[in-house]
Amino acid sequence: DQQVKQNSPSLSVQEGRISILNCDYTNSMFDYFLWYKKYPAEGPTFLISISSIKDKNEDGRFTVFLNKSAKHLSLHIVPSQPGDSAVYFCAAADSSYKLIFGSGTRLLVRP
Amino acid sequence: DTGVSQDPRHKITKRGQNVTFRCDPISEHNRLYWYRQTLGQGPEFLTYFQNEAQLEKSRLLSDRFSAERPKGSFSTLEIQRTEQGDSAMYLCASTPNPPGYTFGSGTRLTVV
Repeated sequence: DQQVKQNSPSLSVQEGRISILNCDYTNSMFDYFLWYKKYPAEGPTFLISISSIKDKNEDGRFTVFLNKSAKHLSLHIVPSQPGDSAVYFCAAADSSYKLIFGSGTRLLVRP
Repeated sequence: DTGVSQDPRHKITKRGQNVTFRCDPISEHNRLYWYRQTLGQGPEFLTYFQNEAQLEKSRLLSDRFSAERPKGSFSTLEIQRTEQGDSAMYLCASTPNPPGYTFGSGTRLTVV
């Protein structure tokens, strides 16, 4: 059973516009949610996280929104830049702080 | 560079051979995690250590897999009698306090 789902395998946006990446989860006991960015042949790079007790966290161009009632979170990138093109993974941390990842969304930012 | 270091970066092995990977975490990080990533999927949890104690193992970690973290410093992941299905990227991550994980660049294993 997939506890963390990213239903959009890919997303293409124009440079300067907003990128919205979505993630759904099934386990209401997750403590933290995180977004990672990954380039080919590299490990995931941490972007931003949010505690389950919050509904928004912002860091520069990146904002994560958490809707606990819908078990949904989203990552907003604005403005999008070509260097943001990568695969983005949503992850949830359980009580032992192991991460459960979604399958990823490939973002392409077109110049 | 004080990031998480993994060695080797790439490993090609014949089916049935044993392989061992090494992870050197950031020195002050007491928690160390191993993940496996296959093509088109997100990383999947394998096991984690707090200092030298292995606290949890995934059911993905068959008896051919073993991990150690002697003295709570570097960690090794060994796969015995490799199978083609073991081909994947093996990732190591460390953290002093969750959820601030830092991942290494991974070891890509190809079993031929």
